[in-house]
Amino acid sequence: DVKVTQSSRYLVKRTGEKVFLECVQDMDHENMFWYRQDPGLGLRLIYFSYDVKMKEKGDIPEGYSVSREKKERFSLILESASTNQTSMYLCASSLRHNEQFFGPGTRLTVL
Amino acid sequence: AQKITQTQPGMFVQEKEAVTLDCTYDTSDQSYGLFWYKQPSSGEMIFLIYQGSYDEQNATEGRYSLNFQKARKSANLVISASQLGDSAMYFCAMREGDGGADGLTFGKGTHLIIQP
Repeated sequence: DVKVTQSSRYLVKRTGEKVFLECVQDMDHENMFWYRQDPGLGLRLIYFSYDVKMKEKGDIPEGYSVSREKKERFSLILESASTNQTSMYLCASSLRHNEQFFGPGTRLTVL
Repeated sequence: AQKITQTQPGMFVQEKEAVTLDCTYDTSDQSYGLFWYKQPSSGEMIFLIYQGSYDEQNATEGRYSLNFQKARKSANLVISASQLGDSAMYFCAMREGDGGADGLTFGKGTHLIIQP
């Protein structure tokens, strides 16, 4: 089975802190994605990557950056966390244009 | 304009009845894919079914089928013989183009509650 893991299920940070959210997949998938999910808004794409060291902006990249140094790992970085970044963050991976497999999510609260 | 529209924020359905969850989409691409995901209260996103824009047959996966009407740009999910465990949020999503790395655009979801 495909497994996508995220480093934390729950995270509480203070405004202005630098935050790292880590995602690891074990199926050698080329593509990896970061979404955020907010009530009433569904999931929105922040960034994605189709290869090591490659990254593309999604629909809402402002305030975020990403890093993909190894194929299996895709990190989301909040350079200076703000309260409006309180959300559920979901990582996903896929092989070519097939379905995306999601991790369990990280619920981030920024105080 | 929204690319994925799910017009039913919530639905109550009796156990064992069939359920249709609506989804309409908007794209100018000829090649695209449509997905349905289930999200139970535990939070994980579970892939249910996929329909490619060039697929001539409606997709089916067990109790799930996708009613694909290309001219109307609709991709409704049909769940036959609903069960209590089907209670969850359901999201319709679209991938545009052939690019394998393209992210999905999600609708806002439908909260389905199955009543005994």
